Amino acid sequence: LAKTTQPISMDSYEGQEVNITCSHNNIATNDYITWYQQFPSQGPRFIIQGYKTKVTNEVASLFIPADRKSSTLSLPRVSLSDTAVYYCLVGDGYYGQNFVFGPGTRLSVLP
Amino acid sequence: DGGITQSPKYLFRKEGQNVTLSCEQNLNHDAMYWYRQDPGQGLRLIYYSQIVNDFQKGDIAEGYSVSREKKESFPLTVTSAQKNPTAFYLCASSPIDTANTGELFFGEGSRLTVL
Repeated sequence: LAKTTQPISMDSYEGQEVNITCSHNNIATNDYITWYQQFPSQGPRFIIQGYKTKVTNEVASLFIPADRKSSTLSLPRVSLSDTAVYYCLVGDGYYGQNFVFGPGTRLSVLP
Repeated sequence: DGGITQSPKYLFRKEGQNVTLSCEQNLNHDAMYWYRQDPGQGLRLIYYSQIVNDFQKGDIAEGYSVSREKKESFPLTVTSAQKNPTAFYLCASSPIDTANTGELFFGEGSRLTVL
């Protein structure tokens, strides 16, 4: 199973760029890397997904080095509403039974 | 609107009682999942189902049961055998063509408290 390691918490200020790194040393060839955002008492929400190199959408960018043993979620110009827990998920490709969620990174955005 | 609906949002149970949490989706997704989340913890997989009338145990299936009689429904029963059932329960689904990439669609969760 591809286990992930993330910082437990991070603090930032409004308007700053935030980078959250996830380590997944035993990622398998077929695994994708997916990031989710979760607010208290809500279900996680998909943010971005990638396999290699860089992926960008309207809310975030995902950087994946060539060895794929880590990935970095980049949130540009965060606001107070970005305060949440962010999960890195690595899937081994067989219908989800091996998708392992770690404890996530609790991001606090300060005014 | 398409989505996943979980009910009830809050549920209280006395020790020794079975309770059933509902999960319905109208996204036409083939795969459905149940996760458990404890305070300050990540999500742990209880059960998942890829197709109707078939489901598989996840990491913490003991004390839980599920059924998948319809594509859109995947109810979870928390039985009296579950020793510590107080938790936040999340249902998710995914289309079969992206089920192997980790893109899961989650409901809003059901919070179960045992009195």
